[in-house]
Amino acid sequence: AQSVTQLGSHVSVSEGALVLLRCNYSSSVPPYLFWYVQYPNQGLQLLLKYTTGATLVKGINGFEAEFKKSETSFHLTKPSAHMSDAAEYFCAVSDVNNNAGNMLTFGGGTRLMVKP
Amino acid sequence: NAGVMQNPRHLVRRRGQEARLRCSPMKGHSHVYWYRQLPEEGLKFMVYLQKENIIDESGMPKERFSAEFPKEGPSILRIQQVVRGDSAAYFCASSPPRQPGNTIYFGEGSWLTVV
Repeated sequence: AQSVTQLGSHVSVSEGALVLLRCNYSSSVPPYLFWYVQYPNQGLQLLLKYTTGATLVKGINGFEAEFKKSETSFHLTKPSAHMSDAAEYFCAVSDVNNNAGNMLTFGGGTRLMVKP
Repeated sequence: NAGVMQNPRHLVRRRGQEARLRCSPMKGHSHVYWYRQLPEEGLKFMVYLQKENIIDESGMPKERFSAEFPKEGPSILRIQQVVRGDSAAYFCASSPPRQPGNTIYFGEGSWLTVV
């Protein structure tokens, strides 16, 4: 069974500072990996995903993530935080061998707070 | 191309009543997923459906919860005899016919409050 761990349920950074949100997964084979963002009282919006190919993936809003197989990690970064980045961020995985669809297993989420 | 549409966005029910949540997938998407988000928690998979078929319901509570995706019309998540613990945000997502790594697209969610 797959699982996703997001270290730090709350992360606070100053505006302009580096954003680092951690995600580690447990899976028998490297899964497909996703980061979603959720603004208050809204649905989830895809930031980026990794399926195959280049392990450094660039997404929307200046975010990127790097798949590190040896560390079973897919940490999300942004060089300079903006106030509008304050939101909840979810890391998720799907099983490449799942013949029953693209079901996602989510981490517990990390709430990013950006201080002026 | 409209996104995943869910309604109602907010629903208040008294204990013991029924809640029906609707989801219309994106155009061209034949796969629907329902997730539940309890307060201060991540999303938990509930059920995966294709038209007229439940493919995986391993995340559905054994009682009171049911889901359908008829040939015509939206997918419906039905909760009978609601209890306070059912208060949560329920998200629907859809995707095209399966290809590995397909993105699934989420709706805005339906917030159920049981009083």
